[in-house]
Amino acid sequence: GAGVSQSPSNKVTEKGKDVELRCDPISGHTALYWYRQSLGQGLEFLIYFQGNSAPDKSGLPSDRFSAERTGGSVSTLTIQRTQQEDSAVYLCASSWTSGGAMGGTQYFGPGTRLLVL
Amino acid sequence: AQTVTQSQPEMSVQEAETVTLSCTYDTSENNYYLFWYKQPPSRQMILVIRQEAYKQQNATENRFSVNFQKAAKSFSLKISDSQLGDTAMYFCAFMKQRRDDKIIFGKGTRLHILP
Repeated sequence: GAGVSQSPSNKVTEKGKDVELRCDPISGHTALYWYRQSLGQGLEFLIYFQGNSAPDKSGLPSDRFSAERTGGSVSTLTIQRTQQEDSAVYLCASSWTSGGAMGGTQYFGPGTRLLVL
Repeated sequence: AQTVTQSQPEMSVQEAETVTLSCTYDTSENNYYLFWYKQPPSRQMILVIRQEAYKQQNATENRFSVNFQKAAKSFSLKISDSQLGDTAMYFCAFMKQRRDDKIIFGKGTRLHILP
């Protein structure tokens, strides 16, 4: 597609429920990233996928968070047993990692605003 | 570990003026990328400008330019002839010079362009 898309745009859930956030990267981009943007913490890296390599999960804040990327394209970030502190904007980005002037530059989606009541 | 510091939480300038946003960073890497991203109220993170550390020439994109001082680890953004549409949160960001690595963001500077 023309840009990175994310769904839903907004999500309100109750504490303890599971949520799934979706990211559709730019076609042809091999790397996909998830970040979290919260008032107190700024922008934090969560996880990234590169091709068929094992994902870098070093930023996931707890084992309630997981992500997968199917077929090297669409990714889903799952938060289990949501807590109020999970309320934030979740941003997805993608990049191509081959050569070229803009190789490595990450392009972001519009984000999903999650509110846990 | 890399860190990015933006010392100006908020700034306001009149339309058509020039404004400079400050950014310093800390790293032991010699090769890396630096970015400025803009986030308007729509929440969309938009790339403003990118600088590769091995390039001495400062990057420019139309009204946006940077002053990259590698030895001082400083990377400021200058916006010339500011426009109302420049009102946004601006993030300075660092990435190692690998083509797949996470970005380290500063806390951001909220910029208001006043009519």
